[in-house]
Amino acid sequence: EVQLVESGGGLVQPGGSLRLSCAASGFIFSTYSLNWVRQAPGKGLEWVSYISGSGSTIYYADSVKGRFTFSRDNAKNSLYLQMDSLRAEDTAIYYCARGYSAYDVWGQGTLVTVSS
Amino acid sequence: DIQMTQSPSTLSAFVGDRVTITCRASQTISTWLAWYQQKPGKAPELLIYKASSLQIGVPSRFSGSGSGTEFTLTIISLQPDDFATYYCQQYNSYPRTFGQGTKLEIK
Repeated sequence: EVQLVESGGGLVQPGGSLRLSCAASGFIFSTYSLNWVRQAPGKGLEWVSYISGSGSTIYYADSVKGRFTFSRDNAKNSLYLQMDSLRAEDTAIYYCARGYSAYDVWGQGTLVTVSS
Repeated sequence: DIQMTQSPSTLSAFVGDRVTITCRASQTISTWLAWYQQKPGKAPELLIYKASSLQIGVPSRFSGSGSGTEFTLTIISLQPDDFATYYCQQYNSYPRTFGQGTKLEIK
């Protein structure tokens, strides 16, 4: 079964850091681009970041550029999102999603809450 | 950035109805558009890609059309399972952007 499973969410204070992970299974991980998409409570979807299959190409939304770092370990079939200098407006469910174009596989999401 | 605008924001309909949701892009995106369905507490699911191609496993009562800047998602013969929130997304360029969502409610 093709699956993405996020972990690492939690409560963090403003200015703090958190590292999200996404474990993939059921497909040839290194051949797929992946993304992080977030959804603030009661709000719509916001694309956050993209990484190519090799990890050589990465894009970020302006709202997180310079604060978030997206990486992958193809030997471990895993993605990572290092989130630094967190702000209240980063509070959201963070989903990893597969695809360069349309996103055909999504994880269940992990909740990040930034609050003092 | 390309802005995606959906209408309506909320739509009420009966089981068995036909409904249409519109998505407009602020600049042309050819047919690089996807539609997703999201139910409360769940991750989004891909329904349509490349504006009109049905994702594997999605019922044929869902269809998409359009190109350039105007797109529609149509659902014929609404089923109880279809009441959810729908999002369009452009993948013509980065940053990828989503519409604000259309909540389809049961009347």
